[in-house]
Amino acid sequence: SQELEQSPQSLIVQEGKNLTINCTSSKTLYGLYWYKQKYGEGLIFLMMLQKGGEEKSHEKITAKLDEKKQQSSLHITASQPSHAGIYLCGAQNQAGTALIFGKGTTLSVSS
Amino acid sequence: DAGITQSPRHKVTETGTPVTLRCHQTENHRYMYWYRQDPGHGLRLIHYSYGVKDTDKGEVSDGYSVSRSKTEDFLLTLESATSSQTSVYFCAIRVAGNLYNEQFFGPGTRLTVL
Repeated sequence: SQELEQSPQSLIVQEGKNLTINCTSSKTLYGLYWYKQKYGEGLIFLMMLQKGGEEKSHEKITAKLDEKKQQSSLHITASQPSHAGIYLCGAQNQAGTALIFGKGTTLSVSS
Repeated sequence: DAGITQSPRHKVTETGTPVTLRCHQTENHRYMYWYRQDPGHGLRLIHYSYGVKDTDKGEVSDGYSVSRSKTEDFLLTLESATSSQTSVYFCAIRVAGNLYNEQFFGPGTRLTVL
């Protein structure tokens, strides 16, 4: 079965610093989804990447998809306390019926 | 806001008791999902539904059953709750028919089985 591995598991950055979170799939990716979760709340959809080389941005968050490496990266520029939370990547399962998720990356931003 | 509500939001129960969690959506989406979220495991699919009375198992379906008698409601039942089912449960819907088929999630139900 397909697995998504996220790295790092957690990180603490100083406000204003840039950071990158990676998501690597054990199998071919057919679309990669990024979600953010605040503690005790549901998941918020950030963006979806479908094609190799695709890059999308939402405010100060940019995600890229490297199809050959079966990997996606999420980059946050000039981090703010509002960026703190858990970031999860998801991908469609082989049957295309549901999403599977990585275990998440917990981001803390210190001011 | 995808119009998804979950009830209850918090529940504490005892081992061996039956528990039913409800997911309600207001936008007639065909696909609905139940996930559980646990530290070290992330989000794992329990069951999903692709229409009224059409359901299928996910990765961690043992000990759970589901029912969908109306488009808007998807129920998750723990027939006899165990401590290993202590978790946060999320319902999701899939917005099919657009380019991305993204899933939107409810606020979650925190279940504690003592």
